Amino acid sequence: NAGVTQTPKFQVLKTGQSMTLQCAQDMNHNSMYWYRQDPGMGLRLIYYSASEGTTDKGEVPNGYNVSRLNKREFSLRLESAAPSQTSVYFCASSGRTSGGLSTDTQYFGPGTRLTVL
Amino acid sequence: GENVEQHPSTLSVQEGDSAVIKCTYSDSASNYFPWYKQELGKGPQLIIDIRSNVGEKKDQRIAVTLNKTAKHFSLHITETQPEDSAVYFCAASMGGGGNKLTFGTGTQLKVEL
Repeated sequence: NAGVTQTPKFQVLKTGQSMTLQCAQDMNHNSMYWYRQDPGMGLRLIYYSASEGTTDKGEVPNGYNVSRLNKREFSLRLESAAPSQTSVYFCASSGRTSGGLSTDTQYFGPGTRLTVL
Repeated sequence: GENVEQHPSTLSVQEGDSAVIKCTYSDSASNYFPWYKQELGKGPQLIIDIRSNVGEKKDQRIAVTLNKTAKHFSLHITETQPEDSAVYFCAASMGGGGNKLTFGTGTQLKVEL
C-alpha cells in the first residue's frame, strides 16, 4: 500500500495563476483532509471531507476550493494564487481499517511545497 | 473553537536523557489527543495518542499523560536517541468521522551526542 500520495511535490506559481493539488489514498478511508503548514504555526485545517460526497470548511478555507472526486481522491484548488498561499500543503485521511484500528488516526501524505511569486 | 498551545518551541537534550513536551487545550469537549513526529521534508507521522477516558499511555520509550481537569497533556520520551531528533506536534479534537484536529505550533527536539 502506498498510503496517502500527493502530486506535485513542488510547484511555483505566479500571482493570479490557478492550480489543483491532487491527493489519493489506498486505505479505503472515509475521511480526507487538507492542511497547510507555515513556519511557527503548526498545521491548520483548510477543508475536510467526512465521507464521500461531503465537504466542509476548516479553519482557513478562504481562497481554496475542494472536490471529493470519489472515495480515494480529494483535490484542493487555488483559483487565483496569492503570495500568502505560499506554504507546504498536506493531505491526510482517516477511517476504520480492516484491522479495526481507530477512525481517529490521520495518516499524512508527503506534502506539496508551493511557492507563489 | 479549540486552541492548542505547545511548549517549548525548541528543546535540546543529551543522548540518553529524557525529553518532555507540554500542551494545553481550551475546549473541554475535546477527547482525542494525538502526538505526531515530523522529520525534515516528510509528512507528520502518528507516534502515540490518548483518549480522555485514559490518564496515561505508554509505548516503549514514549508515554503520554493527560490531565482533563487542567486541560493539559504531555509527551515523555525516555532514553533519547539521535533518531528522536525531529519536530513534534500535539493536537486535540472531538474525534469521530470527519475528525478535525487542532494542532499545536510544534517543538523542535534535538538530541545531541
